[in-house]
Amino acid sequence: DIQLTQSPSFLSASVGDRVTITCRASQGISSYLAWYQQKPGKAPKLLIYAASTLQSGVPSRFSGSGSETEFTLTISSLQPEDFATYYCQQLYTYPLTFGGGTKVEIK
Amino acid sequence: EVRLLESGGGLVQPGGSLRLSCAASGFTFSSYVVSWVRQTPGNGLEWVSAISGSGDSTYYADSVKGRFTISRDNSKNTLYLQMNRLRAEDTAVYYCAKSRRIASDYWGQGTLVTVSS
Repeated sequence: DIQLTQSPSFLSASVGDRVTITCRASQGISSYLAWYQQKPGKAPKLLIYAASTLQSGVPSRFSGSGSETEFTLTISSLQPEDFATYYCQQLYTYPLTFGGGTKVEIK
Repeated sequence: EVRLLESGGGLVQPGGSLRLSCAASGFTFSSYVVSWVRQTPGNGLEWVSAISGSGDSTYYADSVKGRFTISRDNSKNTLYLQMNRLRAEDTAVYYCAKSRRIASDYWGQGTLVTVSS
């Protein structure tokens, strides 16, 4: 199975900060990586697919990059509504797997 | 508007069974892979199972293989998850998700399954 390692697992930041989250895959997955945002008590929301394509309706301050084994999610200027937990997911092969999550909290 | 509505969760004893349903609307159900993903209380997401649009191909996480069965009824636009031999560690919120090759783009609100005596 492909393992996804997210770092950091916890991040404390202020409104307006630039935030970067990393997702590393245990083997190459081309660009078959998605990023999701989840708020407490809610379902995950798709932010980025195919490593770098912004889902319709998602603010442009979110961006994704990377390929094969190293990927990043960047929030260019953190907004109050961005405080949440972020997950990466590989869709290269079954079983599909998620990273452990990164919780972004207010400093 | 795409909608996914899970049902069937509840309290079940260890070793028991439960069947979850996910009613879909707003898209051509038979054209898409649909998946089950679960989240244990306070923890991360775990992909559970997926099924092809026709229902011919099914996929499972090792943790549920041999105990859970995914199926779909395209005439009813409904996805199912039959869960047998349930364990305490299966306690979680179960989400269904409409999936494409490169992401799960729509998710239901989830249904809680609690396995406890």
